[in-house]
Amino acid sequence: ETGVTQSPTHLIKTRGQQVTLRCSSQSGHNTVSWYQQALGQGPQFIFQYYREEENGRGNFPPRFSGLQFPNYSSELNVNALELDDSALYLCASSSGTSGRATWYEQFFGPGTRLTVL
Amino acid sequence: QKEVEQDPGPLSVPEGAIVSLNCTYSNSAFQYFMWYRQYSRKGPELLMYTYSSGNKEDGRFTAQVDKSSKYISLFIRDSQPSDSATYLCAMRARGYSTLTFGKGTMLLVSP
Repeated sequence: ETGVTQSPTHLIKTRGQQVTLRCSSQSGHNTVSWYQQALGQGPQFIFQYYREEENGRGNFPPRFSGLQFPNYSSELNVNALELDDSALYLCASSSGTSGRATWYEQFFGPGTRLTVL
Repeated sequence: QKEVEQDPGPLSVPEGAIVSLNCTYSNSAFQYFMWYRQYSRKGPELLMYTYSSGNKEDGRFTAQVDKSSKYISLFIRDSQPSDSATYLCAMRARGYSTLTFGKGTMLLVSP
């Protein structure tokens, strides 16, 4: 069973640029959640995708957007990068059934460390 | 007041000590409680998963949930230097899949 993978591992961008981060979910999982973890903080929920549809969003501006593909892999896009966007971006996958609102444990990938200069 | 409060530490203990890590929360809708371990510059790793109140034991780890006090704990027995990491509590409400995390407590176990 393959775990959650993320790419790239590290990324350096300058203010105003755009970035795309990628995540492959664990085999059998249909739900992907993205989190931002600033240094010394716990992960903050950005948004979640369930079967290619956005299924919840945290307190992040619209310049944070995402996609989920038919194979349940996902992308996080951030436009107009700001210095405060520097953080570890974590992807977590899980399985769920929205009809009965049943959700299971989330398993995290290793993260992508984004530095904005 | 943040939804989940966790002392960031660091908490320093000698090898073999019993470690107690704690979180408090304010949202009474939380029913699922998790502890994650995160090594430096790595993603969080799920350690314990508990539903509602009570205790759960797994090897050297015991998770306790007291919903009446909105207080959860993780105990580590016979702590090892390899336990040195940041421990994050996380919780979610029934019917929701999104997690709310504490800030994490950094644990340092010295040989």
